[in-house]
Amino acid sequence: GDSVTQMEGPVTLSEEAFLTINCTYTATGYPSLFWYVQYPGEGLQLLLKATKADDKGSNKGFEATYRKETTSFHLEKGSVQVSDSAVYFCAISGSARQLTFGSGTQLTVLP
Amino acid sequence: DGGITQSPKYLFRKEGQNVTLSCEQNLNHDAMYWYRQDPGQGLRLIYYSQIVNDFQKGDIAEGYSVSREKKESFPLTVTSAQKNPTAFYLCASSLVTSGAYEQYFGPGTRLTVT
Repeated sequence: GDSVTQMEGPVTLSEEAFLTINCTYTATGYPSLFWYVQYPGEGLQLLLKATKADDKGSNKGFEATYRKETTSFHLEKGSVQVSDSAVYFCAISGSARQLTFGSGTQLTVLP
Repeated sequence: DGGITQSPKYLFRKEGQNVTLSCEQNLNHDAMYWYRQDPGQGLRLIYYSQIVNDFQKGDIAEGYSVSREKKESFPLTVTSAQKNPTAFYLCASSLVTSGAYEQYFGPGTRLTVT
């Protein structure tokens, strides 16, 4: 079945540092790829998505590129802010039309 | 504004009691989902429904039940048979025909059973 392997946390960065959270997946066919963000005590919010190879999803300064050759969808941001502190989930939508989530990466940004 | 509402945000129950969590959406989405999230963990799928009056078990359905009598509503009952019901419960919905199947989430209900 489909699976997602996500960089383990927690990740702690200083404000304005560069962020990378790694995500790789296993799936048959051509899944759609997503990053979700969860702030404390809240539900998940869709951050960005990509639906085909080489697509780049972007939102709020975050980016991720669908790399089919490496089955990866790494999340990046050039300069993080304290307000970016949250848990980030990578997810894929495969042949079963369901979302398969990674285990989440806790990000803390210090001022 | 379109969205998903879950109520209540916090729920407390005594062990042995059934409890029903509400989930309503006005996004006109076909599919709805229930997930369980434990502290520091990812999401685990409990039940999902792609059309009215039909639903399927997810990975951890034991001790839970659902109904889908209306497109907008997908309530989850946590029964006394659920051995460890204390958790954060998330409801989500999606358009079946969207292609990408991205899901939109409600704010969650935190259930505490003592």
